Amino acid sequence: DQQVKQNSPSLSVQEGRISILNCDYTNSMFDYFLWYKKYPAEGPTFLISISSIKDKNEDGRFTVFLNKSAKHLSLHIVPSQPGDSAVYFCAAPLIQGAQKLVFGQGTRLTINP
Amino acid sequence: DAGVIQSPRHEVTEMGQEVTLRCKPISGHNSLFWYRQTMMRGLELLIYFNNNVPIDDSGMPEDRFSAKMPNASFSTLKIQPSEPRDSAVYFCASSPRGGRRNSPLHFGNGTRLTVT
Repeated sequence: DQQVKQNSPSLSVQEGRISILNCDYTNSMFDYFLWYKKYPAEGPTFLISISSIKDKNEDGRFTVFLNKSAKHLSLHIVPSQPGDSAVYFCAAPLIQGAQKLVFGQGTRLTINP
Repeated sequence: DAGVIQSPRHEVTEMGQEVTLRCKPISGHNSLFWYRQTMMRGLELLIYFNNNVPIDDSGMPEDRFSAKMPNASFSTLKIQPSEPRDSAVYFCASSPRGGRRNSPLHFGNGTRLTVT
């Protein structure tokens, strides 16, 4: 039972353009979401998060949008840079207030020069 | 800040052998997590500890898997006996502040396990 789904295994974007990574979830009890970024041969690193009381959170070039009615969140990267090429995971705590995270399958983002 | 340190980086073993993966969390972090990444199942939580105590091991696939945290600076994940389907990348992560959700996980670089 995949409670967090990233339906696009890969995405290719030109440098300087906007990258949009999508994530859907099925559990309406989820109240907090996180995005992690992973380079090859490294562990995931935390990128940005959003609480369900917000619909947007911004940190520099990265913005996460949350649409609770659609059970959908997206990560926008503007402008995209070659160093953004990585696998991006969305995640949510299975238990409110705890860190038992469930992860999506990941989207591999490639930024082309 | 040395980060979460995992060893070995790569492990190749034969079916039936015992495998021990090691993790040193970030100093001062009191929550520790073991995750496994496979192509089929993605990143899945195996077990996590708060203050060296196992809190939830419901993700441990079978009795062949066991994890310990004898002190705040060391944890092991053991597979005995190992099987080819255990082949995966195993990540250890730690977090401060009792594992509350606003404390992001800090992952190690993983151990790639291959069981032949």
